Amino acid sequence: NAGVTQTPKFRILKIGQSMTLQCTQDMNHNYMYWYRQDPGMGLKLIYYSVGAGITDKGEVPNGYNVSRSTTEDFPLRLELAAPSQTSVYFCASSYPTGGTYHGNQPQHFGDGTRLSIL
Amino acid sequence: AQRVTQPEKLLSVFKGAPVELKCNYSYSGSPELFWYVQYSRQRLQLLLRHISRESIKGFTADLNKGETSFHLKKPFAQEEDSAMYYCALRARAGSNYKLTFGKGTLLTVNP
Repeated sequence: NAGVTQTPKFRILKIGQSMTLQCTQDMNHNYMYWYRQDPGMGLKLIYYSVGAGITDKGEVPNGYNVSRSTTEDFPLRLELAAPSQTSVYFCASSYPTGGTYHGNQPQHFGDGTRLSIL
Repeated sequence: AQRVTQPEKLLSVFKGAPVELKCNYSYSGSPELFWYVQYSRQRLQLLLRHISRESIKGFTADLNKGETSFHLKKPFAQEEDSAMYYCALRARAGSNYKLTFGKGTLLTVNP
């Protein structure tokens, strides 16, 4: 299993450009997440999904959009890139232990996408 | 709302010395606590979780509900322990399954 795969690894955008960060997992996980990691700020949740067709906002969703048409893929879209979106983006996935609660199941992370907006 | 505090951004110790990375949390319910680690140029990965009561790579962490803490400890640090460590909390309430991360502590173990 490749686990969680993110592409691209690096990208430089101009202000106002748009792009999609790709995330795919081959573990048949129901839950997928997008985080951003800013220096000294830890990880903040942007969006998450509990299954195909279902997405919800996290802590810092403004300026981003997501979709979840399949279990495997959870792309993150930036419509109008702004300098404040310069960050490292991590995608993660996890699987519920049973029912709707998956408390102690760990999240599996991708390698991250380093995005700079100039 | 839940919150995770890691008071030390940087922690530097010598090889063989004990190390303790602090984590305090704020949450009114019963939390699930995790420690994640990110080695240089590697992805974030789970180190341990409180519910498993396990020791991984010599690290242990005990949930202290009275002090609302989940400090990570290792009696003898090794150079390969140098990494970024994140404490995370998952609120245990209904279908809430989001992790809240602390800001992280960069541990450097000097030879």
